[in-house]
Amino acid sequence: EAQVTQNPRYLITVTGKKLTVTCSQNMNHEYMSWYRQDPGLGLRQIYYSMNVEVTDKGDVPEGYKVSRKEKRNFPLILESPSPNQTSLYFCASSLAGGPTLSPLHFGNGTRLTVT
Amino acid sequence: GESVGLHLPTLSVQEGDNSIINCAYSNSASDYFIWYKQESGKGPQFIIDIRSNMDKRQGQRVTVLLNKTVKHLSLQIAATQPGDSAVYFCAEKERPTGNLIFGKGTKLSVKP
Repeated sequence: EAQVTQNPRYLITVTGKKLTVTCSQNMNHEYMSWYRQDPGLGLRQIYYSMNVEVTDKGDVPEGYKVSRKEKRNFPLILESPSPNQTSLYFCASSLAGGPTLSPLHFGNGTRLTVT
Repeated sequence: GESVGLHLPTLSVQEGDNSIINCAYSNSASDYFIWYKQESGKGPQFIIDIRSNMDKRQGQRVTVLLNKTVKHLSLQIAATQPGDSAVYFCAEKERPTGNLIFGKGTKLSVKP
């Protein structure tokens, strides 16, 4: 089944403790992206990647890192999480050229709480 | 399920009625628009898209209308069903990156 898989689904952590949210897709998509979803603010893009070893900042990249060493994986790294990073995170992927040439496929989300 | 937003605009319709969800976009130069549906506890799913050289595009039970004059987009759902209950997001293409800018969403509730 074609899918985007995020792990974990739920994560509670403390301020300053480094964490990684994994994202993997099995559709051989070139484009991958991370979004955060907050009440009243909709989906905001954190980072995106057009292909392996190519990453770019989205609208809200502060406090996050990403890497794209292989096509299928696009982990989101929070080196020193803070409470304002408490949010619902989504990973998404699409074919080459990005989300306006082919629709995004989203994972089911990771609910992160930073205390 | 996950709460995707507080104070979202909400549209409540009776099962079997038609639904119209509206969206205003900001950039008059935008040339691509898309609608996503997000059910509770899940990620958004693609519904339908439209490019600016069209005014209307139809899918299965859904129609998207684009009015470039007033920068307005709408999603029409025919014969709305309980399974259509979800939050609906419109998005426009951002220049020059080609990434999507999402709206804040509208919650559709279908009454049986």
